[in-house]
Amino acid sequence: KNEVEQSPQNLTAQEGEFITINCSYSVGISALHWLQQHPGGGIVSLFMLSSGKKKHGRLIATINIQEKHSSLHITASHPRDSAVYICAVRGGAQKLVFGQGTRLTINP
Amino acid sequence: DTGVSQDPRHKITKRGQNVTFRCDPISEHNRLYWYRQTLGQGPEFLTYFQNEAQLEKSRLLSDRFSAERPKGSFSTLEIQRTEQGDSAMYLCASRQKGPNEKLFFGSGTQLSVL
Repeated sequence: KNEVEQSPQNLTAQEGEFITINCSYSVGISALHWLQQHPGGGIVSLFMLSSGKKKHGRLIATINIQEKHSSLHITASHPRDSAVYICAVRGGAQKLVFGQGTRLTINP
Repeated sequence: DTGVSQDPRHKITKRGQNVTFRCDPISEHNRLYWYRQTLGQGPEFLTYFQNEAQLEKSRLLSDRFSAERPKGSFSTLEIQRTEQGDSAMYLCASRQKGPNEKLFFGSGTQLSVL
């Protein structure tokens, strides 16, 4: 079992829909990152969380430390949100452990 | 451009050749990371530098791999005697010291070993 599991692996939705991507992890962590990766490799850090909830524009990230679970929500989704969304956790050491990613496609 | 720069963007090489990649982090970032990503997978940690010190190294990094950050600024990742299984995207990332600092990624170097 991977230390970081994301679901779903693939998600296709219509423009305007509310999107939820889930991340569960099995280790104790000091921080959790949500990353966005577009075709061609570029990775952008969206959020870093250690507790609670963060919001940036149409993106919301939540984390429940007790349940070892985080969610990334996108409101009013748009085709430009199409990308791979990756959850990564940092334990006591510096390295990040990444999930396999969720490929999101938003159709117009 | 004040982001993380990686060079080259693409590298095609024959099996058995040596390759070297360069990463220029954001200038004030003292922490630098190398990751490897294969198609359809999330990135895997390779190694981590704090300033010029290599503080952590993954078991994925065989003896053929070596990384340096001689002056605590840019870093190089060298792969000797490349194998087809080394084909992947090699990503560099950097961040400032502190528990709440975001990670910034370069665009990666895509290595293809023929």
